[in-house]
Formats: sequence, structure tokens, C-alpha cells
Amino acid sequence: DTGVSQDPRHKITKRGQNVTFRCDPISEHNRLYWYRQTLGQGPEFLTYFQNEAQLEKSRLLSDRFSAERPKGSFSTLEIQRTEQGDSAMYLCASSLDSTEAFFGQGTRLTVV
Amino acid sequence: GEDVEQSLFLSVREGDSSVINCTYTDSSSTYLYWYKQEPGAGLQLLTYIFSNMDMKQDQRLTVLLNKKDKHLSLRIADTQTGDSAIYFCADPPDSNYQLIWGAGTKLIIKP
Repeated sequence: DTGVSQDPRHKITKRGQNVTFRCDPISEHNRLYWYRQTLGQGPEFLTYFQNEAQLEKSRLLSDRFSAERPKGSFSTLEIQRTEQGDSAMYLCASSLDSTEAFFGQGTRLTVV
Repeated sequence: GEDVEQSLFLSVREGDSSVINCTYTDSSSTYLYWYKQEPGAGLQLLTYIFSNMDMKQDQRLTVLLNKKDKHLSLRIADTQTGDSAIYFCADPPDSNYQLIWGAGTKLIIKP
């Protein structure tokens, strides 16, 4: 499999619980992006890594959100104390420098 | 701030041409993109156009860019049922990592 993979595909959690999502980018890609997409909207940028360095974070990323890419390969996105407003599709993408970004299929989070 | 706008729905008959329109506010982008999102699938880059071009053709797809009016369109010739999807216009205003996206146009194909 040479595409971007995300795990899990679906996550249902109770309000207040912590969740963690994983993204495995295309192996030779040095850039990794997280986006959030709610129904009827385009994706919203959350954060971006160049190798293991997190270079940009959106204002959307409150202190309950944290992302890591410890070895410059896979990345995790953690949401602490989830709220109903966190329900969305979380998309990961990767690219080689500023070339085309390839997207994973996303993790759909439902907070009940 | 930067903004990208699209109509939410477009309905066309199979075999007709589809034209999906997009307006954007930031004119500093080097590229403008069209992405396709099918149900249960990730976003797929469909095509892109350099900002110094007016038109780009790629098989059934034609992208037109009017920089003066900040208007981008995607024309799909001979629309097929497999073209049913949501089409997003995306603008990277000052970098290639922070794309600004439209809300997406859902293309509905009538038999």
C-alpha cells in the first residue's frame, strides 16, 4: 500500500474522553498535514509538519489538541476532554516538499 | 481573511457538460487546485492550474482562470455517473501547506 493511511476510520467516544488518531504518510514524503472537515464544509487546516518539526498550528487547534510526528514518519493527533463540537472528519495528507498533497480517507469522530 | 466560495450543488444530465465555479479572494497564489471527494474516499487532486495560465485542458477536464475577476471554473465534458462527487476549489494564499478551501460543490448526475 503506497497511499496515506489513517487509523481508525471511525471513532465514537463519550464527551470528556481522550482520543488519539494515527496517520501513516507515504513513506518518502517529508511533509504531513492535518485538516478537519465538518459536514457541508471544506477542510480546515489544523497543523503541519516538515519531517519531525511542527511548523505551523492553526488557531483552531486549542490546547486540548496536540499532534506529534516523533520520527518524521507517522503522526498522531490527540484530542483531550473531547467536546461535541469536536465531531468531524479528521484528514491527514502528506507531500514531498510543496508538490501535490495526497490525502488519507480520514478518521470520522463522533462525540456523544 | 482569505475566502473561497462555491455553489453547494450542481445537477446535470448524463452526457452533458458540467461547469463548477469558484471565486477566491487572494490573488497571490502560484497555483489553484480542484479536488474531488467521493463518498467514503479521501480527497483526490483532480487538476491544478498555474496562476499565470488562463486555461488548462486535461482529457475531459477544462480549467479556466480569470485572474481579474478572481474566478476559477472546472468544466467536465460528457459527464458520467462516475463523476458524482463533491468538488472542492482550493487556494494556497501564501504557502503550499495551508490550503483555503471552498465548501464544495456536490455534482448530481441525472440519468
